[in-house]
Amino acid sequence: LAKTTQPISMDSYEGQEVNITCSHNNIATNDYITWYQQFPSQGPRFIIQGYKTKVTNEVASLFIPADRKSSTLSLPRVSLSDTAVYYCLVGGNTDKLIFGTGTRLQVFP
Amino acid sequence: EPEVTQTPSHQVTQMGQEVILRCVPISNHLYFYWYRQILGQKVEFLVSFYNNEISEKSEIFDDQFSVERPDGSNFTLKIRSTKLEDSAMYFCASSEQGSTYNSPLHFGNGTRLTVT
Repeated sequence: LAKTTQPISMDSYEGQEVNITCSHNNIATNDYITWYQQFPSQGPRFIIQGYKTKVTNEVASLFIPADRKSSTLSLPRVSLSDTAVYYCLVGGNTDKLIFGTGTRLQVFP
Repeated sequence: EPEVTQTPSHQVTQMGQEVILRCVPISNHLYFYWYRQILGQKVEFLVSFYNNEISEKSEIFDDQFSVERPDGSNFTLKIRSTKLEDSAMYFCASSEQGSTYNSPLHFGNGTRLTVT
């Protein structure tokens, strides 16, 4: 299973763009990259998933370089309600998806 | 939007007692999971379940744990003889086609288990 590395925490202000980068140096050929968001006392919530290049949905964008050894979750114009823990997961060959420690994003007014 | 629902939201039990945590996955999903999160720690994989059998399990999922899909809608986690260290938030998740097909997991809001 590809191990992921993310910053432990990040701070931002409302209205700013936030980019959270995840390293996954030993990603396998058929692994996808998936990001989840978790609020306190709630289950993780799927945000976005990609394999290569760029994926965008109504919530976020995901940038994946050609070598796929990292990925960047981009949250445009964050608000206070985006304060949460963000997890990057990599997998594709197994039903055993492993969460890392995630990145705790704190958004200030 | 369809949701994964878990009951109860909070369960308090005494050490050594059996508990059953219940989950109703999203109706057209075929893959089911249990995760747990001890307070302040990361989300830990326990078990995945497909076609009425366990497909993967972690080292945490020892003989005191079992899972069952007793009918077409429920998915349960049983802890036979609870220990203090089983106190955690337990999350159920379901997926349409499983993570091997890159199908995202949909999580419930968890059951907080407190063992006294």
